[in-house]
Amino acid sequence: EVQLVQSGAQVKKPGKSLKISCQGSGYTFTNYWIGWVRQMPGKGLEWMGIIYPGDSETRYSPSFHGQVTISADKSISTAYLQWSSLKASDTAIYYCARLGGGFKTMGSDDAFDVWGQGTMVTVSS
Amino acid sequence: DIQMTQSPSSLSASVGDRVTITCRASQSITTWLAWYQQKPGKAPNLLIYKASRLQSGVPSRFSGSGSGTEFTLTISSLQPDDFATYYCQQYDTYSGTFGQGTKLEIK
Repeated sequence: EVQLVQSGAQVKKPGKSLKISCQGSGYTFTNYWIGWVRQMPGKGLEWMGIIYPGDSETRYSPSFHGQVTISADKSISTAYLQWSSLKASDTAIYYCARLGGGFKTMGSDDAFDVWGQGTMVTVSS
Repeated sequence: DIQMTQSPSSLSASVGDRVTITCRASQSITTWLAWYQQKPGKAPNLLIYKASRLQSGVPSRFSGSGSGTEFTLTISSLQPDDFATYYCQQYDTYSGTFGQGTKLEIK
């Protein structure tokens, strides 16, 4: 079974750093882009960025570029989303999801076909 | 950035109704358009990709159409399990943008 399993909920103070994870299984992790999506409380979905684990090429939304870092460790089939200095406005659920195409060159099959269960991040003093 | 505008933002309908949700892109995305369903407390679920291709396991009452800048999601006969929030998403050229969502409620 293809699945993405995310790390557990986090509660952090403003200014702290954080790294959350997303482990893939049931498929060749290096062949599929992985993306991160933010959902703030009661709000819609926001596309943050994607990474190709095969070579760690990364693309960011302009809204999130410089605010977060996306990385991957292909040896353990895991993608990461990290912050160096959290803000209260980072409070949200963060989902990882796989792009379904299976190639580095993106195509029309590259919708998010498999999703992780989400990681709730709460930033509060 | 490509902007996606969904309409309506909310919709009340009854079991058995035919429902259509529209998504408009700020520039042409050919058919690089997906539709997702999200229920409270759950991750989104892919329904349609490439504008009109039904994801495996999704009931055939869901269908998608359109190309360029105008797209629609149609549910032919609403079932109780379909009351949820629906999002469109463009995934053109190594980026992605979601619509603001359409909340489908029971009338």
